[in-house]
Amino acid sequence: EAGVAQSPRYKIIEKRQSVAFWCNPISGHATLYWYQQILGQGPKLLIQFQNNGVVDDSQLPKDRFSAERLKGVDSTLKIQPAKLEDSAVYLCASSPRAATRETQYFGPGTRLLVL
Amino acid sequence: GNSVTQMEGPVTLSEEAFLTINCTYTATGYPSLFWYVQYPGEGLQLLLKATKADDKGSNKGFEATYRKETTSFHLEKGSVQVSDSAVYFCALLPPSNTGKLIFGQGTTLQVKP
Repeated sequence: EAGVAQSPRYKIIEKRQSVAFWCNPISGHATLYWYQQILGQGPKLLIQFQNNGVVDDSQLPKDRFSAERLKGVDSTLKIQPAKLEDSAVYLCASSPRAATRETQYFGPGTRLLVL
Repeated sequence: GNSVTQMEGPVTLSEEAFLTINCTYTATGYPSLFWYVQYPGEGLQLLLKATKADDKGSNKGFEATYRKETTSFHLEKGSVQVSDSAVYFCALLPPSNTGKLIFGQGTTLQVKP
């Protein structure tokens, strides 16, 4: 079974530029998550989708971050414009459902450096 | 609110030493508890989990017991190997239907031959 796929793996941009990350979850998984992992910290949830609807985006900086999950499969996370503090690893995860005991499966992450 | 606190790293051990990584949590109700591991250059992998009090999760020689009375979920392994070198994250899933994982800050383990 293929795992969660993410691209690109690395991205370097200058502040005020825009960037987009792509995620393809495990086939059949209804729930998709985007986490931000700043160096030295644990991952923090940015947004959660159930199929193509948003379940939780309370910690998404909506003035600059946006995400979509068209057709309830793959997803794109965008930052526009980027700030220095957005430098982090962006992790995508998926699970079959959003139930409390479901395991979340993580992709390899996209490492973003904003200069 | 919900939070997870892990012991600070890095933890440096010799091969075959005993490992303990402490994890305590704050949560309302009865969360599910997890240990994830992140090897260099890779994503997070589930190591083990426990979904109710007194449950013991185990995998690859690692164990952790869900202790409600001490709000802890310490990770242990009897004999570590060099290949166990990684960052370990304790996490909780609150008893709701949103699936939002709350992570600790991570503990780096370095095992020397």
